[in-house]
Amino acid sequence: SSELTQDPAVSVPLGQTVSITCQGDSLRGYYASWYQQKPGQAPVLVIYGKNNRPSGIPDRFSGSTSGNTASLTITGAQAEDEADYYCNSRDSSDNPVLFGGGTKVTVL
Amino acid sequence: QVQLQQWGAGLLKPSETLSLTCAVYGGSFSGYSWTWIRQPPGKGLEWIGEINHSGSTNYNPSLKSRVTISLDTSRNQFSLKLSSMTAADTAVYYCARVILQRPKGYFDSWGQGTLVTVSS
Repeated sequence: SSELTQDPAVSVPLGQTVSITCQGDSLRGYYASWYQQKPGQAPVLVIYGKNNRPSGIPDRFSGSTSGNTASLTITGAQAEDEADYYCNSRDSSDNPVLFGGGTKVTVL
Repeated sequence: QVQLQQWGAGLLKPSETLSLTCAVYGGSFSGYSWTWIRQPPGKGLEWIGEINHSGSTNYNPSLKSRVTISLDTSRNQFSLKLSSMTAADTAVYYCARVILQRPKGYFDSWGQGTLVTVSS
């Protein structure tokens, strides 16, 4: 069955840039969406489509896709960006919605 | 700005049926699809299933035999039933709105989450 693969954890010095990747065959047909989740809170959509941010999401968050890999980039990471990040896409298989396993971002 | 508010029993015994409801406020209800997602403690997100504005459903194959998602358009609500609960179903359950415009699909508004614990 299809799946989305993310690195479990990354760290970034305050103010620097970090990219999180998400790999999966479904990304050849569908854009990834990205969600930020802080402890005890519901996930929040941060990137959708080709590279779209919902209202209220800072422009330091951006997204891109190349082949079967989607990336979420935080340019100038802030302390408040420390969170778990999940990618998600639709799929044409019998399971139409996929989530990656999540990446824990630590801001040093 | 659409808001989702969910509720339901938080403690169940093994073999019981989970029942959760999600109410939608401040936005259009028809014309969208709606979904349930869960997260076991300390783990990642798992999609359970979705229902569109006409009542057609899609379910995660791993849960399909136990899941029912339904709509109440008169109340702008949708519901989740998950039967034969076990400890493995212990999780925070979220409702969310689906935006599906191929090739993009995403969840733009989420409920607050309900912790459901299965224990004898």
